[in-house]
Amino acid sequence: QQQVKQSPQSLIVQKGGISIINCAYENTAFDYFPWYQQFPGKGPALLIAIRPDVSEKKEGRFTISFNKSAKQFSLHIMDSQPGDSATYFCAASMKTQGGSEKLVFGKGTKLTVNP
Amino acid sequence: DVKVTQSSRYLVKRTGEKVFLECVQDMDHENMFWYRQDPGLGLRLIYFSYDVKMKEKGDIPEGYSVSREKKERFSLILESASTNQTSMYLCASSLVGWQNYGYTFGSGTRLTVV
Repeated sequence: QQQVKQSPQSLIVQKGGISIINCAYENTAFDYFPWYQQFPGKGPALLIAIRPDVSEKKEGRFTISFNKSAKQFSLHIMDSQPGDSATYFCAASMKTQGGSEKLVFGKGTKLTVNP
Repeated sequence: DVKVTQSSRYLVKRTGEKVFLECVQDMDHENMFWYRQDPGLGLRLIYFSYDVKMKEKGDIPEGYSVSREKKERFSLILESASTNQTSMYLCASSLVGWQNYGYTFGSGTRLTVV
């Protein structure tokens, strides 16, 4: 299975609150898990990423939690701000038959942070 | 900063037309990708290339082809456009050691097939 399942599809949070987006996967060949942030009219941009040998990675207000046994990972945005309003995609990387690598993306979560 | 430039922001084509979407990156990245983005479906990989004249099918290659004659340019070709190919098309590029830097995406081409 090459899917990455992402939830929720949309999320509304008050300013200062915690935003949590969850992803799950089945394929144990995935070996790298980035999160991308996309603002309207722009392409996605790398936000934060984690490898499966690490359970947590924090960069500023953004934290990835990774549960290898459950095949789940999540993005936590602490002290959410209106400027965080965007669409967030989780992704997973795997090697292809040709020996290169590709990213498989989740379906995205539209986050709205109300002032 | 790496820039990935997609030639058109909006494009309207007729059913059956041959459509070319162009993508150029300016930082000597080895890898280039074409994704399509649809509401509720996320980003789905169409084709990618890890070197000049090399290509590999992604997850939804049907109805598409690609061309990479120069390292900086990656073209997506819709051989005979159909209405179900109406979508946002995103080009991306990356280094070989991309995991430290991620993919760099263009701003997209919104294609409407009528």
